[in-house]
Amino acid sequence: GAVVSQHPSWVICKSGTSVKIECRSLDFQATTMFWYRQFPKQSLMLMATSNEGSKATYEQGVEKDKFLINHASLTLSTLTVTSAHPEDSSFYICSALLLGENEAFFGQGTRLTVV
Amino acid sequence: EDQVTQSPEALRLQEGESSSLNCSYTVSGLRGLFWYRQDPGKGPEFLFTLYSAGEEKEKERLKATLTKKESFLHITAPKPEDSATYLCAVQASSSNYQLIWGAGTKLIIKP
Repeated sequence: GAVVSQHPSWVICKSGTSVKIECRSLDFQATTMFWYRQFPKQSLMLMATSNEGSKATYEQGVEKDKFLINHASLTLSTLTVTSAHPEDSSFYICSALLLGENEAFFGQGTRLTVV
Repeated sequence: EDQVTQSPEALRLQEGESSSLNCSYTVSGLRGLFWYRQDPGKGPEFLFTLYSAGEEKEKERLKATLTKKESFLHITAPKPEDSATYLCAVQASSSNYQLIWGAGTKLIIKP
């Protein structure tokens, strides 16, 4: 099956610092990747859609200058949370769309805690 | 407005007790309906994609069905390891492959 690797699985950072989360499709190419945020006991909230080689499309209410997304290759997208604050603490999940298919496969998620 | 509603919010079953989870949807042109399983602290795991009314797919103790307005995830003789949150999502034919998610059903199977 299609495997998406997300790293790190958890991170603790100080308020004001930046954190980078990587999302890699290991055995397939993904022209489109998605970044989600999930609060406890809630469903996934789409933050942005990332297409390889172009700028990400952010959902309404998501600050593009705070959540920097780079999709430089068909197998790697990164999310950088800049100047993190405690309210940015959350579970961040990426997914990759299998090229030519409709199914999206998910990474294992990153638990971010900002102290 | 495109929308997905899952019921019940939570379901507790005894091991071996079969049941169904519901996913009702409204979407302007369905490209696909997806079922995922999510364990605590993990990303969703893909289970099924359904594309048209009448379609059914099976995997081990799970069977997913689709009508024009809803989908059911039937679980037969569940085991404790089937405990998880089951998420339903739809993809509109007009979308850039984004998924519209339901809130999920938390399934607990007691031994």
